[in-house]
Amino acid sequence: EPEVTQTPSHQVTQMGQEVILRCVPISNHLYFYWYRQILGQKVEFLVSFYNNEISEKSEIFDDQFSVERPDGSNFTLKIRSTKLEDSAMYFCASSGRGYEQYFGPGTRLTVT
Amino acid sequence: SQKIEQNSEALNIQEGKTATLTCNYTNYSPAYLQWYRQDPGRGPVFLLLIRENEKEKRKERLKVTFDTTLKQSLFHITASQPADSATYLCALDGWSSFGNEKLTFGTGTRLTIIP
Repeated sequence: EPEVTQTPSHQVTQMGQEVILRCVPISNHLYFYWYRQILGQKVEFLVSFYNNEISEKSEIFDDQFSVERPDGSNFTLKIRSTKLEDSAMYFCASSGRGYEQYFGPGTRLTVT
Repeated sequence: SQKIEQNSEALNIQEGKTATLTCNYTNYSPAYLQWYRQDPGRGPVFLLLIRENEKEKRKERLKVTFDTTLKQSLFHITASQPADSATYLCALDGWSSFGNEKLTFGTGTRLTIIP
C-alpha cells in the first residue's frame, strides 16, 4: 500500500541554523501539506501546496518557513533560522481526489 | 473564532464494550468532518469522513454521526479491543476554491481499552 515517507526521523539542530525536512508524498496525489505537533499539543496546520504553489498558509508559517517541490517526487519544508519554539514533530501529508489526508511518520525536530 | 472540542481528554473502556467519543465545534460550518487515529510518536491515520448532508457513516466496527444543528459528531467503536487503544482526533475542513484544504484538529481523546 502506498505511503508517505519522511526523512530524517529525528533532527537535532542548534538555534539559528537552517533545517530542511524532506517528504515523499504518495505518487499520484495532487495536494501536499505540512503540519506540526508540539509535544502534548494538537496537530496544527502550517501550509498547503497545490499545482506548484502555496494554496494556504497559517500564521505560524512566517518568513522563516518555505516549501518546495524540487522534482516530481519530493516535497520539502525549510526553516531558515530555527528557534527553540520550533521544536516539534513535523508531519507531511498528501491527498488525492478525496478529502482524506495521508500522513507520514513525522520528523522530530529538536532545537537546542 | 473557530473552536473544536473533544470533550474527554482520556477515556477508559472495558474490552468488548462500545466506546463513544464526542467532538463539538463552534463558529464553524464544515462541509465534512473526519476522524483520525494517532498512536504515540506516529502520524495521524485516516479512519472515516462524513459529509454535512450525511447523518451516519459506518466502517466495520466504527460508526460516526454528524449533527450540524447541534454542531457535534459522535465516534463509536463497538466490541472494543485493547488494540483500539490510541488517541482519536476529530478534524474539520477549511474548504476553499482549491478544494482540498487544511484540516483543523481537535486536541484528541486518549482511549484506553482495559482487558
